[in-house]
Amino acid sequence: DAKTTQPNSMESNEEEPVHLPCNHSTISGTDYIHWYRQLPSQGPEYVIHGLTSNVNNRMASLAIAEDRKSSTLILHRATLRDAAVYYCILSRGGSNYKLTFGKGTLLTVNP
Amino acid sequence: GEEVAQTPKHLVRGEGQKAKLYCAPIKGHSYVFWYQQVLKNEFKFLISFQNENVFDETGMPKERFSAKCLPNSPCSLEIQATKLEDSAVYFCASSRQGNQPQHFGDGTRLSIL
Repeated sequence: DAKTTQPNSMESNEEEPVHLPCNHSTISGTDYIHWYRQLPSQGPEYVIHGLTSNVNNRMASLAIAEDRKSSTLILHRATLRDAAVYYCILSRGGSNYKLTFGKGTLLTVNP
Repeated sequence: GEEVAQTPKHLVRGEGQKAKLYCAPIKGHSYVFWYQQVLKNEFKFLISFQNENVFDETGMPKERFSAKCLPNSPCSLEIQATKLEDSAVYFCASSRQGNQPQHFGDGTRLSIL
Protein backbone atom coordinates (compact mmCIF):
# COMPACT_ATOMS: atom_id res chain seq x y z
CA ASP A 1 0.00 0.00 0.00
CA ALA A 2 1.23 3.52 -0.79
CA LYS A 3 2.37 5.46 2.27
CA THR A 4 1.13 8.83 3.56
CA THR A 5 3.03 11.37 5.65
CA GLN A 6 1.30 13.81 7.98
CA PRO A 7 2.53 16.20 10.67
CA ASN A 8 2.26 14.70 14.14
CA SER A 9 0.27 17.63 15.50
CA MET A 10 -1.27 20.98 14.60
CA GLU A 11 -2.98 23.71 16.52
CA SER A 12 -5.77 26.02 15.53
CA ASN A 13 -8.02 28.64 17.06
CA GLU A 14 -11.77 28.27 17.22
CA GLU A 15 -13.67 29.66 14.22
CA GLU A 16 -10.52 29.90 12.10
CA PRO A 17 -9.86 27.73 9.02
CA VAL A 18 -7.56 24.74 9.37
CA HIS A 19 -5.49 23.21 6.59
CA LEU A 20 -4.27 19.69 7.33
CA PRO A 21 -1.61 18.51 4.86
CA CYS A 22 -0.85 15.01 3.66
CA ASN A 23 1.97 13.86 1.39
CA HIS A 24 1.55 10.71 -0.68
CA SER A 25 4.32 10.84 -3.26
CA THR A 26 4.03 7.13 -4.18
CA ILE A 27 0.31 7.30 -4.93
CA SER A 28 -0.82 5.24 -7.90
CA GLY A 29 -3.40 6.15 -10.51
CA THR A 30 -6.20 4.11 -8.94
CA ASP A 31 -5.59 5.14 -5.30
CA TYR A 32 -8.39 7.07 -3.62
CA ILE A 33 -7.50 9.60 -0.91
CA HIS A 34 -9.61 9.19 2.21
CA TRP A 35 -9.74 11.26 5.38
CA TYR A 36 -11.07 9.90 8.64
CA ARG A 37 -10.90 11.41 12.10
CA GLN A 38 -11.03 9.91 15.56
CA LEU A 39 -12.47 11.92 18.42
CA PRO A 40 -11.41 10.91 21.95
CA SER A 41 -12.90 7.59 23.08
CA GLN A 42 -14.73 7.05 19.78
CA GLY A 43 -14.26 5.04 16.63
CA PRO A 44 -12.93 6.66 13.47
CA GLU A 45 -15.40 8.80 11.55
CA TYR A 46 -15.40 9.24 7.78
CA VAL A 47 -14.74 12.83 6.72
CA ILE A 48 -14.26 12.95 2.96
CA HIS A 49 -12.61 11.19 0.02
CA GLY A 50 -11.57 11.95 -3.54
CA LEU A 51 -9.64 10.68 -6.52
CA THR A 52 -8.48 13.60 -8.68
CA SER A 53 -10.84 16.56 -8.35
CA ASN A 54 -11.33 18.72 -5.28
CA VAL A 55 -14.31 17.66 -3.17
CA ASN A 56 -16.62 19.49 -0.80
CA ASN A 57 -19.12 18.17 1.71
CA ARG A 58 -20.85 19.50 4.80
CA MET A 59 -17.90 18.59 7.01
CA ALA A 60 -14.87 19.69 5.02
CA SER A 61 -13.17 20.27 1.68
CA LEU A 62 -10.46 18.18 0.10
CA ALA A 63 -7.94 19.87 -2.13
CA ILE A 64 -5.88 17.47 -4.26
CA ALA A 65 -2.67 18.62 -5.94
CA GLU A 66 -2.57 18.38 -9.71
CA ASP A 67 0.12 15.66 -9.59
CA ARG A 68 -1.82 13.93 -6.76
CA LYS A 69 1.32 13.62 -4.66
CA SER A 70 -0.24 15.65 -1.86
CA SER A 71 -3.62 16.72 -0.57
CA THR A 72 -5.03 19.07 2.05
CA LEU A 73 -8.07 18.65 4.24
CA ILE A 74 -9.70 22.01 4.92
CA LEU A 75 -11.97 22.66 7.86
CA HIS A 76 -13.50 26.03 7.07
CA ARG A 77 -14.27 27.12 10.64
CA ALA A 78 -12.79 24.97 13.37
CA THR A 79 -14.89 24.25 16.44
CA LEU A 80 -13.85 22.65 19.71
CA ARG A 81 -15.64 19.52 18.53
CA ASP A 82 -13.15 19.23 15.64
CA ALA A 83 -10.31 18.40 18.05
CA ALA A 84 -9.33 14.90 16.98
CA VAL A 85 -6.68 12.78 15.27
CA TYR A 86 -7.04 13.15 11.51
CA TYR A 87 -5.93 10.28 9.28
CA CYS A 88 -5.10 10.55 5.60
CA ILE A 89 -5.41 7.09 4.00
CA LEU A 90 -4.93 5.77 0.49
CA SER A 91 -6.97 2.85 -0.77
CA ARG A 92 -6.72 1.20 -4.13
CA GLY A 93 -9.93 1.27 -6.15
CA GLY A 94 -11.32 -2.19 -6.81
CA SER A 95 -8.96 -3.76 -4.32
CA ASN A 96 -9.37 -5.21 -0.86
CA TYR A 97 -11.02 -2.07 0.64
CA LYS A 98 -9.12 -2.26 3.95
CA LEU A 99 -7.98 1.04 5.44
CA THR A 100 -4.31 1.30 6.36
CA PHE A 101 -4.08 3.95 9.08
CA GLY A 102 -0.85 5.85 9.72
CA LYS A 103 -0.20 7.84 12.87
CA GLY A 104 -2.36 10.79 11.80
CA THR A 105 -2.30 14.43 12.88
CA LEU A 106 -3.52 15.40 16.33
CA LEU A 107 -5.47 18.64 15.90
CA THR A 108 -5.86 20.83 18.97
CA VAL A 109 -8.44 23.63 18.78
CA ASN A 110 -7.97 26.52 21.17
CA PRO A 111 -11.02 28.44 22.42
CA GLY B 1 -29.96 0.17 12.86
CA GLU B 2 -28.27 3.36 11.73
CA GLU B 3 -25.12 2.84 13.76
CA VAL B 4 -22.59 0.06 14.07
CA ALA B 5 -23.23 -1.47 17.49
CA GLN B 6 -20.35 -3.17 19.28
CA THR B 7 -20.72 -5.15 22.48
CA PRO B 8 -19.50 -5.27 25.12
CA LYS B 9 -17.92 -1.83 25.59
CA HIS B 10 -15.33 -3.27 27.95
CA LEU B 11 -14.19 -6.86 28.43
CA VAL B 12 -11.71 -8.06 31.01
CA ARG B 13 -10.19 -11.52 30.79
CA GLY B 14 -7.43 -13.36 32.54
CA GLU B 15 -4.53 -14.52 30.42
CA GLY B 16 -5.41 -17.81 28.74
CA GLN B 17 -9.16 -17.23 28.81
CA LYS B 18 -11.38 -16.85 25.75
CA ALA B 19 -12.73 -13.47 24.61
CA LYS B 20 -15.66 -12.95 22.25
CA LEU B 21 -16.59 -9.59 20.79
CA TYR B 22 -19.74 -8.76 18.82
CA CYS B 23 -20.62 -6.32 16.06
CA ALA B 24 -23.98 -5.50 14.52
CA PRO B 25 -23.36 -3.70 11.22
CA ILE B 26 -25.66 -1.05 9.82
CA LYS B 27 -28.69 -2.61 8.14
CA GLY B 28 -28.17 -2.91 4.39
CA HIS B 29 -24.37 -2.82 4.60
CA SER B 30 -22.72 -5.75 2.84
CA TYR B 31 -19.17 -5.36 4.16
CA VAL B 32 -17.86 -5.72 7.70
CA PHE B 33 -14.31 -4.92 8.78
CA TRP B 34 -12.45 -5.60 12.03
CA TYR B 35 -9.50 -3.46 13.18
CA GLN B 36 -7.30 -3.61 16.28
CA GLN B 37 -5.97 -0.41 17.87
CA VAL B 38 -3.17 -1.29 20.28
CA LEU B 39 -1.53 2.03 21.07
CA LYS B 40 -3.41 5.29 20.79
CA ASN B 41 -2.94 5.81 17.06
CA GLU B 42 -1.84 2.47 15.68
CA PHE B 43 -4.54 0.55 13.84
CA LYS B 44 -4.13 -2.90 12.40
CA PHE B 45 -6.60 -4.40 9.91
CA LEU B 46 -7.65 -7.91 10.90
CA ILE B 47 -10.34 -9.26 8.59
CA SER B 48 -13.24 -8.26 6.36
CA PHE B 49 -16.45 -9.96 5.27
CA GLN B 50 -18.74 -9.58 2.29
CA ASN B 51 -22.04 -10.67 3.78
CA GLU B 52 -21.23 -13.97 5.49
CA ASN B 53 -18.18 -14.73 3.40
CA VAL B 54 -14.61 -13.93 4.39
CA PHE B 55 -13.39 -11.28 1.95
CA ASP B 56 -9.87 -10.53 3.18
CA GLU B 57 -8.23 -12.26 6.14
CA THR B 58 -4.65 -11.17 5.50
CA GLY B 59 -4.42 -9.36 8.84
CA MET B 60 -5.69 -12.15 11.05
CA PRO B 61 -3.13 -13.80 13.31
CA LYS B 62 -2.84 -17.41 12.17
CA GLU B 63 -3.55 -18.87 15.59
CA ARG B 64 -6.10 -18.06 18.28
CA PHE B 65 -8.15 -15.49 16.31
CA SER B 66 -11.32 -16.37 14.44
CA ALA B 67 -14.29 -14.40 13.14
CA LYS B 68 -17.72 -15.06 11.70
CA CYS B 69 -20.59 -13.16 10.14
CA LEU B 70 -23.67 -15.38 10.03
CA PRO B 71 -27.05 -14.39 8.56
CA ASN B 72 -29.44 -12.73 11.06
CA SER B 73 -26.80 -12.64 13.81
CA PRO B 74 -24.21 -10.10 14.91
CA CYS B 75 -20.73 -10.68 13.55
CA SER B 76 -18.23 -11.96 16.09
CA LEU B 77 -14.49 -11.92 16.71
CA GLU B 78 -13.19 -14.60 19.05
CA ILE B 79 -9.77 -14.87 20.63
CA GLN B 80 -8.79 -18.18 22.19
CA ALA B 81 -6.16 -18.45 24.91
CA THR B 82 -5.73 -14.69 25.22
CA LYS B 83 -2.33 -13.14 25.80
CA LEU B 84 -1.35 -9.85 27.43
CA GLU B 85 -0.48 -8.45 23.97
CA ASP B 86 -4.12 -8.89 22.85
CA SER B 87 -5.08 -5.96 25.09
CA ALA B 88 -6.38 -3.36 22.68
CA VAL B 89 -9.50 -1.61 21.44
CA TYR B 90 -11.17 -3.65 18.70
CA PHE B 91 -13.19 -1.67 16.17
CA CYS B 92 -15.77 -2.98 13.78
CA ALA B 93 -16.81 -1.02 10.69
CA SER B 94 -19.39 -1.61 7.98
CA SER B 95 -19.92 -0.21 4.50
CA ARG B 96 -22.74 -0.46 2.01
CA GLN B 97 -20.33 -1.64 -0.66
CA GLY B 98 -16.61 -2.33 -0.36
CA ASN B 99 -15.41 0.91 -1.86
CA GLN B 100 -17.79 3.16 0.07
CA PRO B 101 -17.06 4.99 3.36
CA GLN B 102 -16.70 2.77 6.38
CA HIS B 103 -18.85 3.49 9.43
CA PHE B 104 -17.17 2.54 12.69
CA GLY B 105 -18.56 1.45 16.01
CA ASP B 106 -17.22 2.83 19.28
CA GLY B 107 -15.10 -0.24 19.85
CA THR B 108 -14.66 -2.89 22.51
CA ARG B 109 -11.82 -2.30 24.96
CA LEU B 110 -10.28 -5.69 25.76
CA SER B 111 -8.05 -5.86 28.81
CA ILE B 112 -6.07 -9.04 29.46
CA LEU B 113 -4.79 -9.34 33.03
